[in-house]
Amino acid sequence: EVQLVESGGGLVQPGGSLRLSCAASGFTFSSSWMTWVRQAPGKGLEWVANIQQDGSNKYYVDSVKGRFTISRDNAKNSLFLQMNSLRAEDTAVYYCARLYYDWNDVPSFDYWGQGTLVTVSS
Amino acid sequence: EIVLTQSPGTLSLSPGERATLSCRASQSVSSSYLAWYQQKPGQAPRLLIYGASSRATGTPDRFSGSGSGTDFTLTISRLEPEDFAVYYCQQYGGSPWTFGQGAKVEIK
Repeated sequence: EVQLVESGGGLVQPGGSLRLSCAASGFTFSSSWMTWVRQAPGKGLEWVANIQQDGSNKYYVDSVKGRFTISRDNAKNSLFLQMNSLRAEDTAVYYCARLYYDWNDVPSFDYWGQGTLVTVSS
Repeated sequence: EIVLTQSPGTLSLSPGERATLSCRASQSVSSSYLAWYQQKPGQAPRLLIYGASSRATGTPDRFSGSGSGTDFTLTISRLEPEDFAVYYCQQYGGSPWTFGQGAKVEIK
């Protein structure tokens, strides 16, 4: 059974930092692209960042570039999101998800974790 | 940035009725790069449809996706009680990847 379990969320002051983790199991983590998606309270979904299988390529939404860093540890089947210079508008539930490409190279976020809440407030 | 606009924002229907949800893109999106997700309160999103029309594993066949270019549709042929939820379309064709604002299917 595929499982993605996020942790590390919490309350942080504006300008502060937080590191989110996502523990993966039930699939070959080292062969999978991974992603972070966030959802502000009562709002829609926003893609945040992707990372390639070996960590060589990373992509970010403009609003987090230079502040957030996505990384992974394939030996520990873990995905991370280092968030620095946090702002009130970063307040959201952060989901990790697997980015799956099928045999025809069609992408989708096929498995999701339950999310971890990050609140940026003084 | 490709903006996805979903309509209607809320659909009020009874179990057994047909639901038709629209997703319109501000620019053409390859059909391979359009997906639909379902989200229930307090839960993570769940992949329903990818590649505009392919059902994900476990998606009941009452769900179908169609469309091309800038206009895509998610159809639920006969609503079951568990289908009342929020639905999001998402495009992977342009950077950044974007979601629609969501469409709620509620019980009438």
